[in-house]
Amino acid sequence: EIVMTQSPATLSVSPGERATLSCRASQSVSSNLAWYQQKPGQAPRLLIYGASTRATGIPARFSGSGSGTEFTLTISSLQSEDFAVYYCQQYNNWPGFGPGTKVDIK
Amino acid sequence: EVQLVESGGGLVQPGRSLRLSCAASGFTFDDYAMHWVRQAPGKGLEWVSGISWNSGSIGYADSVKGRFTISRDNAKNSLYLQMNSLRAEDTALYYCAKDIKLRSKSVAATPFDYWGQGTLVTVSS
Repeated sequence: EIVMTQSPATLSVSPGERATLSCRASQSVSSNLAWYQQKPGQAPRLLIYGASTRATGIPARFSGSGSGTEFTLTISSLQSEDFAVYYCQQYNNWPGFGPGTKVDIK
Repeated sequence: EVQLVESGGGLVQPGRSLRLSCAASGFTFDDYAMHWVRQAPGKGLEWVSGISWNSGSIGYADSVKGRFTISRDNAKNSLYLQMNSLRAEDTALYYCAKDIKLRSKSVAATPFDYWGQGTLVTVSS
């Protein structure tokens, strides 16, 4: 079983600032890594897949990088609508999610 | 517009059964694998089960293997999850999710591009 971890658990950021979220896999998942955003009371939304490909309609301020076991989601300039919980997911060997990073207002 | 609408949730006693449904529209249902993902109250996401476009490949999380059965009816554009021997730890919001890749060869190997709003399952006496 591949175990996903995310850090930090909570990230406090001011609007307009850059946010960097990390995700680590217990073994290599190649580039089979996705990022989702979830707001309270809403279903998750796919942001990034293939570690770095933005999903349809996702703004350019969201970017993903990494491969193997270390991945990063960067939000270049946080907007008010970006405060949410972010999950990474590996799909290299049966889907598995990380515990999430909550991005809140500083 | 892609729409996934789950139904069938509710309050059920431990040990009993429940069947969830997901009605799909806005895309060619029989071209895509489908999945169930759950989220316990205040917790993170947990993949539960997935089924390939032609039902030829099926997978389950260890936590539900032997108790839950996923199926689909492509003629009815519907996905199902039969849940037996329910436990308190199965209490969660159950989401139906669509695979991103057309006719993926592996139900284990793609992310999910559309999600329903979920149906709540509460297991309690």
